[in-house]
Amino acid sequence: LAKTTQPISMDSYEGQEVNITCSHNNIATNDYITWYQQFPSQGPRFIIQGYKTKVTNEVASLFIPADRKSSTLSLPRVSLSDTAVYYCLVGVGISGGYNKLIFGAGTRLAVHP
Amino acid sequence: NAGVTQTPKFRILKIGQSMTLQCTQDMNHNYMYWYRQDPGMGLKLIYYSVGAGITDKGEVPNGYNVSRSTTEDFPLRLELAAPSQTSVYFCASSYSQGYEQFFGPGTRLTVL
Repeated sequence: LAKTTQPISMDSYEGQEVNITCSHNNIATNDYITWYQQFPSQGPRFIIQGYKTKVTNEVASLFIPADRKSSTLSLPRVSLSDTAVYYCLVGVGISGGYNKLIFGAGTRLAVHP
Repeated sequence: NAGVTQTPKFRILKIGQSMTLQCTQDMNHNYMYWYRQDPGMGLKLIYYSVGAGITDKGEVPNGYNVSRSTTEDFPLRLELAAPSQTSVYFCASSYSQGYEQFFGPGTRLTVL
């Protein structure tokens, strides 16, 4: 089981770039890295998924170094609406193991005016 | 396309009562999941299903049961409610393993 470690909380200001790093030292060869976002009183929402190097979509970028033991979610120019909890998940890929799918406590991002 | 829907939104149970949390998805997804989220914590997987007629335990299955008779529906059954089951319950679905999970709005359950 690839355990993930991420900061409990982060603070930022509107317009800044936010980088949230997740550590996953025991990641398996077939594991993907996935990030979800959760607003209060809502279910989580998929943000981005990657296997290696860099992935970018319309809302975020995901940087994964060659050893894949960590990953960094990058949110460009955050706004107040990006205030949420961000979860890093590992092990949701082709290797399966859904009985071990664990979200963890996530990182609480607070964006200030 | 409603996505994943859950009923009820809120429920208060007395200790020892039973209830079923309903979950329906209209995306023709094979995989469905039930999670619980305690205050300030992450989500924990209770049960999951990879298709109609197939279910398996997740991280915290004790006190719960599930069934999957159709692709669309994945109800979660609490037989003897306990205060420890006070939580927010989320249902989710995905096309297959490794694919994006779509979550419902959640059911807030209180057991007194």
